[in-house]
Amino acid sequence: QVQLLQSGPEVRKPGASVKISCKASGYSFQNYYIHWVRQAPGQGLEWMAIVNPGVGSPTLAQIFQDRVTVTRDTSTSTVFMELISVKSADTAVYFCARSHGSLDGLDFWGQGTMITVSP
Amino acid sequence: QSVLTQPPSASGTPGQRINISCSGRPSNIGTYTVHWYHQVPGTAPKLLIFSDNKRPSGVPDRFSGSKSGTAASLAISGLQSEDEAEYFCAAWDGSVNGHVFGTGTKVTVL
Repeated sequence: QVQLLQSGPEVRKPGASVKISCKASGYSFQNYYIHWVRQAPGQGLEWMAIVNPGVGSPTLAQIFQDRVTVTRDTSTSTVFMELISVKSADTAVYFCARSHGSLDGLDFWGQGTMITVSP
Repeated sequence: QSVLTQPPSASGTPGQRINISCSGRPSNIGTYTVHWYHQVPGTAPKLLIFSDNKRPSGVPDRFSGSKSGTAASLAISGLQSEDEAEYFCAAWDGSVNGHVFGTGTKVTVL
């Protein structure tokens, strides 16, 4: 069955970096886009990035272009998202999700990774 | 920041029909298809409707989507207690070259 398994919770101090992962299984990894979406406590969903695992070149939301890096490892069907210079406003649950086409709905989601930024 | 506007809340009694609106712009809903997600607190969102009005396998036909111009709507008929959740619309936005989400609507079954 399709599964997106994300890495565990992280705690960082302001200014630090954090890298989380999303391991795909149960489908052809290179045939589906992977998105990153975050949700601050009590808030709505915020789209961050999309990557085509077969090609590797991500597209980032403008507000994240200077702080987010998305990479993938096709040998382990894993996508990584690194966020640098974190601040308290980055405290959120970060989800990965897949879509068949870049414009399509996100049909499977990971369980989410909580990133807490605290002094 | 959310680009698509939804009412913050909606409610109904069991068996009723409710509608949730989603207002956008030509660069998003006016050009691209709309998707709907529902999310129970503490869990990941789930795809409810894709490409304006299509249901993924397993989603009951009580849920239906429609779109006209730069607005979309989700209808839930035969409201059930398990429909209590937050509902988000989403679409690709050509002006930002990315997906945008709605502000979210919390549905309460009275």
